[in-house]
Amino acid sequence: ETGVTQSPTHLIKTRGQQVTLRCSSQSGHNTVSWYQQALGQGPQFIFQYYREEENGRGNFPPRFSGLQFPNYSSELNVNALELDDSALYLCASSLSGTAKDEQFFGPGTRLTVL
Amino acid sequence: AQSVTQLDSQVPVFEEAPVELRCNYSSSVSVYLFWYVQYPNQGLQLLLKYLSGSTLVKGINGFEAEFNKSQTSFHLRKPSVHISDTAEYFCAVSDSHKLVFGAGTILRVKS
Repeated sequence: ETGVTQSPTHLIKTRGQQVTLRCSSQSGHNTVSWYQQALGQGPQFIFQYYREEENGRGNFPPRFSGLQFPNYSSELNVNALELDDSALYLCASSLSGTAKDEQFFGPGTRLTVL
Repeated sequence: AQSVTQLDSQVPVFEEAPVELRCNYSSSVSVYLFWYVQYPNQGLQLLLKYLSGSTLVKGINGFEAEFNKSQTSFHLRKPSVHISDTAEYFCAVSDSHKLVFGAGTILRVKS
């Protein structure tokens, strides 16, 4: 069974650029959630996708957007990058979008915005 | 909205000593609670979870936690820590479909 994978592992961008982060969910999981973890903080929920539809969104501006594909892999897109977007971006997959489900996390993508 | 408070940002402890990492959550309604561990440069790994039933929950690597509804707490304990337990630990509460995390507690195990 393959776990959650994310690419790339590290990324450096400059302010104003756009970035796309990718996540492959664990086999059999149809739900993907994205979290932002700034340095020294706990992860913050960005949004969740369940069967290709957005299923909830945290307190992030519209320049954070996402997609989920028919194979349940997912992308996180961030436009007009700001310095404060520098963080570890974590993807988590789960069996369904319910509160009880364990979320399985990938290793994360470290984004640095200069 | 749910919130989680982890009362200690860092906990230093000697190897083979017991440890308790404290967590309080905000809601008094039914909750699902989780403890995750994060090793340097890695993602989060689930240690244990409370969904219902027994208030004492056992997890991986010898960790356990006790759900206390009256005190709205979910403290993590281990009777004897190892150097390899050095990591950051996050308490989380499930709020609908998302997890709300605390700020984390860094456990530093010294020899």
